[in-house]
Amino acid sequence: KAGVTQTPRYLIKTRGQQVTLSCSPISGHRSVSWYQQTPGQGLQFLFEYFSETQRNKGNFPGRFSGRQFSNSRSEMNVSTLELGDSALYLCASRKGQEANGYTFGSGTRLTVV
Amino acid sequence: GENVEQHPSTLSVQEGDSAVIKCTYSDSASNYFPWYKQELGKRPQLIIDIRSNVGEKKDQRIAVTLNKTAKHFSLHITETQPEDSAVYFCAASKNSGGYQKVTFGTGTKLQVIP
Repeated sequence: KAGVTQTPRYLIKTRGQQVTLSCSPISGHRSVSWYQQTPGQGLQFLFEYFSETQRNKGNFPGRFSGRQFSNSRSEMNVSTLELGDSALYLCASRKGQEANGYTFGSGTRLTVV
Repeated sequence: GENVEQHPSTLSVQEGDSAVIKCTYSDSASNYFPWYKQELGKRPQLIIDIRSNVGEKKDQRIAVTLNKTAKHFSLHITETQPEDSAVYFCAASKNSGGYQKVTFGTGTKLQVIP
């Protein structure tokens, strides 16, 4: 079955612009999480959605927002981009709210210039 | 909230030797502990996990141990091979209002020297 699909794979934006990233989870997975990964910073949690509701949010500024649609696809938006937002943004899905592992997508590499 | 510490941040071993990565967690309510492997340029992938009612789990050359009393868990890789070179992340997960909240460690870069 298809894995977690993230689009686009690569993106270059200029400071001040906004960007929207998309994540399609594995079929049947209703929980989608977003992580920011920068060199030496590990996986920084952004937010998690389940059944169109944000269940948890990390310590990121309000410029970072997300949503989930009824088909479980999720989008992440970053407004007023800063150079420091350059990172790999990973999306991960899991079946439900029970304790099991994530399946990650390949990520979107965002470069802000 | 939960805090997961992971050590070491980097680890170099000779091929064939064993590698051990340790994580500690702060919240005794955590009940699920997955480990992920991220090869260079690739996505993190779940390699093994353990639940709080189990003390040890093995899968071929990989094993994970859990000490609930001390609140730490470890990943053990035996007979390491060059393809084991990657960044490894531990995580702790607990039920929070009917929802499993996951906290990741900061990662360990493992280098296996041929």
